[in-house]
Amino acid sequence: GAGVSQSPSNKVTEKGKDVELRCDPISGHTALYWYRQSLGQGLEFLIYFQGNSAPDKSGLPSDRFSAERTGGSVSTLTIQRTQQEDSAVYLCASNSQGSTGELFFGEGSRLTVL
Amino acid sequence: GQNIDQPTEMTATEGAIVQINCTYQTSGFNGLFWYQQHAGEAPTFLSYNVLDGLEEKGRFSSFLSRSKGYSYLLLKELQMKDSASYLCAVRNTGGFKTIFGAGTRLFVKA
Repeated sequence: GAGVSQSPSNKVTEKGKDVELRCDPISGHTALYWYRQSLGQGLEFLIYFQGNSAPDKSGLPSDRFSAERTGGSVSTLTIQRTQQEDSAVYLCASNSQGSTGELFFGEGSRLTVL
Repeated sequence: GQNIDQPTEMTATEGAIVQINCTYQTSGFNGLFWYQQHAGEAPTFLSYNVLDGLEEKGRFSSFLSRSKGYSYLLLKELQMKDSASYLCAVRNTGGFKTIFGAGTRLFVKA
């Protein structure tokens, strides 16, 4: 696609429910990143993919968080048994290997856990 | 480990020049980036430095000193639309993991 696409743009859920957030990167971009941004805060690194593999999962806050990427394209971030502290904007970004490393961000998925 | 520090907030006057500093500590360095983020929007790329020195791009310039772990973003001829958060980010060697600082909120006043 022309840009990084994320869905849903807004998600309101009840504490304890599972949620899935989707990211569709720019076509041909091999690297895909997930960040979390709480209100008024910076970007917290969660995980990144090179192709379908995730060399670094160190940023995932707990084992309730998981992510996968299939076909070197779409990625899904899953949060199980959501907690109120999971409320944030989840940003996805992609870039192509061999570039300067500039990240292209999607508009984000705003998650609110009640 | 990694650590990136930048001021929380800055205020400047329209038409003036402002310098936003960033210091970093990283186990392996493979580039420093500056991004701009307007409230409620996604970050957008401003500049990239991997070698020491100044990179100029229109009203924006970015400087890097790898030996000092220091960078700054210089904004000239400030406009009201420059009011935004400015994020400093460092990329690691090897895996291209990119870590962001907490951001500097810049307020431009008339």
